[in-house]
Amino acid sequence: AQSVTQPDIHITVSEGASLELRCNYSYGATPYLFWYVQSPGQGLQLLLKYFSGDTLVQGIKGFEAEFKRSQSSFNLRKPSVHWSDAAEYFCAVAAGSGYSTLTFGKGTMLLVSP
Amino acid sequence: GEEVAQTPKHLVRGEGQKAKLYCAPIKGHSYVFWYQQVLKNEFKFLISFQNENVFDETGMPKERFSAKCLPNSPCSLEIQATKLEDSAVYFCASSQQTNEKLFFGSGTQLSVL
Repeated sequence: AQSVTQPDIHITVSEGASLELRCNYSYGATPYLFWYVQSPGQGLQLLLKYFSGDTLVQGIKGFEAEFKRSQSSFNLRKPSVHWSDAAEYFCAVAAGSGYSTLTFGKGTMLLVSP
Repeated sequence: GEEVAQTPKHLVRGEGQKAKLYCAPIKGHSYVFWYQQVLKNEFKFLISFQNENVFDETGMPKERFSAKCLPNSPCSLEIQATKLEDSAVYFCASSQQTNEKLFFGSGTQLSVL
């Protein structure tokens, strides 16, 4: 069965500094990978996804992620964090019928300090 | 509509009572998904529909949980005889096709007392 590990429960980054959120997955076939963001009291918003092709994926709000098959990783990055980026971030892998069912990691809470 | 609409936003039930949650997917979206989020931790997949047909129910508890998506009606998730551990936020999402972007609703917070 597929699984997703986000090793960091919380991360604090200074505003303007760079960010990297870690995600490792376990899946027997070619994975479909996603990063979602959840603001307090809200549902999930898709930041970016990887299905195939270029392993460096660009998303919304200046985020990018790199798929590294050899490391089973799909880390999320942003060169300069803004205070509005403070939220919970979830990595997910798609499996199941038609690759439609998402298995999520436990999330990483991003705190942004002034 | 242009967003996934979930009702109610909050639902409080006594243990043993029934809970029914509703989801109106985005117009034109064929797929509907239900996820359960407990204690703001990981999301647990419950069930998905392709139009009114069950697409994947591998995450659905065998007992007490049921779901439907009927034509011209909001989809629903029903929990019979709720238990304390059912307390969670239940999110609905929809998409045009599988593998495409999921649009999530704002969730229904179910509190079982």
